[in-house]
Amino acid sequence: NAGVTQTPKFRVLKTGQSMTLLCAQDMNHEYMYWYRQDPGMGLRLIHYSVGEGTTAKGEVPDGYNVSRLKKQNFLLGLESAAPSQTSVYFCASRILPGTEIYEQYFGPGTRLTVT
Amino acid sequence: AQTVTQSQPEMSVQEAETVTLSCTYDTSESDYYLFWYKQPPSRQMILVIRQEAYKQQNATENRFSVNFQKVAKSFSLKISDSQLGDAAMYFCAYRSAKRGADGLTFGKGTHLIIQP
Repeated sequence: NAGVTQTPKFRVLKTGQSMTLLCAQDMNHEYMYWYRQDPGMGLRLIHYSVGEGTTAKGEVPDGYNVSRLKKQNFLLGLESAAPSQTSVYFCASRILPGTEIYEQYFGPGTRLTVT
Repeated sequence: AQTVTQSQPEMSVQEAETVTLSCTYDTSESDYYLFWYKQPPSRQMILVIRQEAYKQQNATENRFSVNFQKVAKSFSLKISDSQLGDAAMYFCAYRSAKRGADGLTFGKGTHLIIQP
């Protein structure tokens, strides 16, 4: 099992450019999440998905879009990148609620710099 | 909305000693989960320990234990016999037990330094 993987690991964008971050998990988890981590801060939830074809907003959704076309993949899109979106982005997944195993498994993170 | 507060930006402890990291949270809910995550320089988020709010017994995982005080809304992490590998950022996190109200709410973290 690879667990949760993120592509790419690093990226530099110019202001106004667009990009998509890919998160993939091979654990058959229902729930997937995107967080961002800024210096001196804990992780903050951007968007999440409770199953294939569903998405929901988290604490800081502005400027981002997401899609969950396949159960194993969760995409995070930036349509017009801004310097304020410079951050480390983490993806996480969790098995269906109601089971004993309810922890979130995190990917290794993507460092994004917007100049 | 729930908030999580970690009042110690940085803590330092001698190797083999015991250290306690503080965490308080604010919620109006009665059913929830609390977690401590470790983030070493590699950036990987690693679950250290978790506590269900409905359980009165404090969780323990080897050298790591928590002191969960539900009325005081406090959730501290005790690391016994500190090792050099424990050096990392530690984040306290909260998750509602409500179905659909998902995602973790994190504190700002405590940087733990282990002195040899």
